[in-house]
Amino acid sequence: AQKITQTQPGMFVQEKEAVTLDCTYDTSDPSYGLFWYKQPSSGEMIFLIYQGSYDQQNATEGRYSLNFQKARKSANLVISASQLGDSAMYFCAMREVPGGTSYGKLTFGQGTILTVHP
Amino acid sequence: DAGVIQSPRHEVTEMGQEVTLRCKPISGHNSLFWYRQTMMRGLELLIYFNNNVPIDDSGMPEDRFSAKMPNASFSTLKIQPSEPRDSAVYFCASSLGLFNTEAFFGQGTRLTVV
Repeated sequence: AQKITQTQPGMFVQEKEAVTLDCTYDTSDPSYGLFWYKQPSSGEMIFLIYQGSYDQQNATEGRYSLNFQKARKSANLVISASQLGDSAMYFCAMREVPGGTSYGKLTFGQGTILTVHP
Repeated sequence: DAGVIQSPRHEVTEMGQEVTLRCKPISGHNSLFWYRQTMMRGLELLIYFNNNVPIDDSGMPEDRFSAKMPNASFSTLKIQPSEPRDSAVYFCASSLGLFNTEAFFGQGTRLTVV
C-alpha cells in the first residue's frame, strides 16, 4: 500500500510568490515523523523540514513551513517568497515507529517537480 | 564533520559483472538506508539497518542484490550479476535515532550497466 502520496507531478510558481506542495500519508501508528527533502538538478538530497506527529505547532524553517493536518493525514509544504533556486524536485517522507519490526523505516513519496518562473 | 560518503560516484560496468557500492555513514549514526532512484520508480528503499542489523530488506528486488554492514562505519551493496535494468542512482543515507530525526544522504552512485 502506498504510504506517502504526492499528487502533483509538477507545479509552477512565479518568483516571489508562495507555493504549496501537497503530501498525504497513511499510517495507523500514533508515533511518526514527517520530512520534506529537496533534490535540485545536481542530484543531492537536501533535508528541509521535520514535523513530529505529537508536535502541537506546525514546523517552520526560514521560508519553509509545514501545514500539518493530522486528522486529514496531510503534511503540505509551503514555500514562501519563491526564488529561482527553489526549482527542484521535492519529496515528502515518513518515518514510522510501528509495533512490529519495521521501526524507523523511512519511506518517500513520488516527488513533485517545482519550477519557479522569473 | 564529513557527511555520508559513497563510492564510487560513477560506475559503468558490463552486464553480468559484479558491482559493489560502498557507504560510510556519519560517525555516531545508528541507522543506515540504501535507496535506488530511477525515473520510472522514483526513490525506492532497498534495505535499512539499525545498529548494524538489517531490519527490513523487503525492498531488495532480487537475490542478485545483497547488502552488508560489518561495522558501524561501513556498508556495502552488491549486485551480482548486474543487469541493464539495474542502472540507477543508488543513495546511502544515515540517521541518528529511530523516527524523529532526519536522514542525511550521500551524493549517490550513478550506476550504468551496459
